[in-house]
Amino acid sequence: AQTVTQSQPEMSVQEAETVTLSCTYDTSESDYYLFWYKQPPSRQMILVIRQEAYKQQNATENRFSVNFQKAAKSFSLKISDSQLGDAAMYFCAYLRAQKLVFGQGTRLTINP
Amino acid sequence: DAGVIQSPRHEVTEMGQEVTLRCKPISGHDYLFWYRQTMMRGLELLIYFNNNVPIDDSGMPEDRFSAKMPNASFSTLKIQPSEPRDSAVYFCASSLRRGLRGYTFGSGTRLTVV
Repeated sequence: AQTVTQSQPEMSVQEAETVTLSCTYDTSESDYYLFWYKQPPSRQMILVIRQEAYKQQNATENRFSVNFQKAAKSFSLKISDSQLGDAAMYFCAYLRAQKLVFGQGTRLTINP
Repeated sequence: DAGVIQSPRHEVTEMGQEVTLRCKPISGHDYLFWYRQTMMRGLELLIYFNNNVPIDDSGMPEDRFSAKMPNASFSTLKIQPSEPRDSAVYFCASSLRRGLRGYTFGSGTRLTVV
């Protein structure tokens, strides 16, 4: 079974600083997809970034980037220049056979 | 596109009553998923459909839960009879290409069973 672990229940960062959220996963597959989703207080689940496991290059979307370490089964999210609007729950997710399996989430607080 | 549309946004019902949650996926998406989110269990996949056909319902907690997708633009999740432990946020999501680009989620239905 695939499992996704987010070891940081809560994180906080000063506005404009950089923060990294951790995620590890367990799989025996070699080809898979990983995602980070954001859930602000509005409850909407918003796709932040995706990574294809066969690609060595780390994905980047504006201020969001990942550090994908396939051998270590690690998939961390870096948020640069943190903004107040980044405050949310962040979920790491693993996709196999059409099904997304989510971690327990990390609550990110942005301090002004 | 209006995205994935769920209704109602909030539902409060009494124990023993029937509850029906509704979802309209993004037009053209061929996969539809129902998830439940609770503090204790996080986000759990209940059931998913491909081209309106249920593919995997192994996450449905018990026979009180049922889901249908009569056509490509509509799905329902029904709980009958409802119990307080069913209180949660229920999300519907849809995707193309087996979810390789991720899912698009609706805004969820917060269900409270009293």
